[in-house]
Amino acid sequence: GQQVMQIPQYQHVQEGEDFTTYCNSSTTLSNIQWYKQRPGGHPVFLIQLVKSGEVKKQKRLTFQFGEAKKNSSLHITATQTTDVGTYFCAEEYNFNKFYFGSGTKLNVKP
Amino acid sequence: GAVVSQHPSRVICKSGTSVKIECRSLDFQATTMFWYRQFPKQSLMLMATSNEGSKATYEQGVEKDKFLINHASLTLSTLTVTSAHPEDSSFYICSAFARDSLFGIDSPLHFGNGTRLTVT
Repeated sequence: GQQVMQIPQYQHVQEGEDFTTYCNSSTTLSNIQWYKQRPGGHPVFLIQLVKSGEVKKQKRLTFQFGEAKKNSSLHITATQTTDVGTYFCAEEYNFNKFYFGSGTKLNVKP
Repeated sequence: GAVVSQHPSRVICKSGTSVKIECRSLDFQATTMFWYRQFPKQSLMLMATSNEGSKATYEQGVEKDKFLINHASLTLSTLTVTSAHPEDSSFYICSAFARDSLFGIDSPLHFGNGTRLTVT
């Protein structure tokens, strides 16, 4: 079953503030993926991290994979109202299943 | 590209009836399809993993006779909720997966829009 924990559960920020969500696993991950689910929508793939210590950026989003490949983070700089949604990390287990973290719901106040 | 069509989007049925949900990958062949269930304000819980032409692999606690999965082709998987009861009311969402080369080095899950099942 699920082995990856995600925190925080909720985050309310003022527009322009930064936001970070964290995923932690007790086991070494082969890779980790991040998804965004808008209210009423379906999860949409954001990024995949594979290498130890990997850092990837997508505009205001920065994704990190820990050196031990047991944790990952997503950081959003200067949030905008369009960033509203729930962010999930997902671990690939045994190269044939994907388990999702509990998600962090981000609310951005204009 | 990478469009996954899931229907119906909403279904209301009476207790005891069966409901079939279809998931199609429209522009690529999926090696695997996954079925998830999502309760309000909660995460996606993996129900089963489905490979074309073989029996689905169910997660612990998911009744295979209750949630019948058929994966007839590389582009179609169906989930049938048999003898539905109110506790089966939920959001069911499929995702299609194709390893590696189709999408470069990434292997993302491509989700359908989900099916909101309400059992009365």
